[in-house]
Amino acid sequence: DQQVKQNSPSLSVQEGRISILNCDYTNSMFDYFLWYKKYPAEGPTFLISISSIKDKNEDGRFTVFLNKSAKHLSLHIVPSQPGDSAVYFCAAPRTSGTYKYIFGTGTRLKVLA
Amino acid sequence: DAGVTQSPTHLIKTRGQHVTLRCSPISGHKSVSWYQQVLGQGPQFIFQYYEKEERGRGNFPDRFSARQFPNYSSELNVNALLLGDSALYLCASSLGVTGAAIQYFGAGTRLSVL
Repeated sequence: DQQVKQNSPSLSVQEGRISILNCDYTNSMFDYFLWYKKYPAEGPTFLISISSIKDKNEDGRFTVFLNKSAKHLSLHIVPSQPGDSAVYFCAAPRTSGTYKYIFGTGTRLKVLA
Repeated sequence: DAGVTQSPTHLIKTRGQHVTLRCSPISGHKSVSWYQQVLGQGPQFIFQYYEKEERGRGNFPDRFSARQFPNYSSELNVNALLLGDSALYLCASSLGVTGAAIQYFGAGTRLSVL
């Protein structure tokens, strides 16, 4: 049951432009959503999160938007930098019933210099 | 401060064998979670332990088991290995088990089953 989906496996963006990574979910019971970034040979690292009671959270160049009616969230990176090239995962902890931490399949972002 | 450490970094086993993977959490973190990541997929949740008790379990067969020790370190055991168990196994620690708890990941153990 893939409750968190990232439908774009890859994305290429020019340096300085905006990167938009998308994530859809099916379970309306999620309370939080988190974005993680993963470089090769490293574990994922936390980037930014958003509570389900908010529709936007911003941290420097990174902004996450949540549209609960559409069950959709997006991560905006402005301006994109070559060091942002990585795989990005959205994730959602399921705290009702048996606890699970559910990750999407990831989007590989390549920022071109 | 040390982050999450996992050992070994790489491991090669043959079908039918068993394997034990180890994880030390960040100091002060009482929760440890295990994930399996195969190529092209996101991390798949296997277990979460908090204060030495299992708090969550993913959709994995009973060949997979884990435990957490009094010092909060953890082991993941996989019995009767199959070729499909070849993957990167990630351990993550967190302060608690709330929905907002950020997971801090180790670099993983790369398991190859031949």
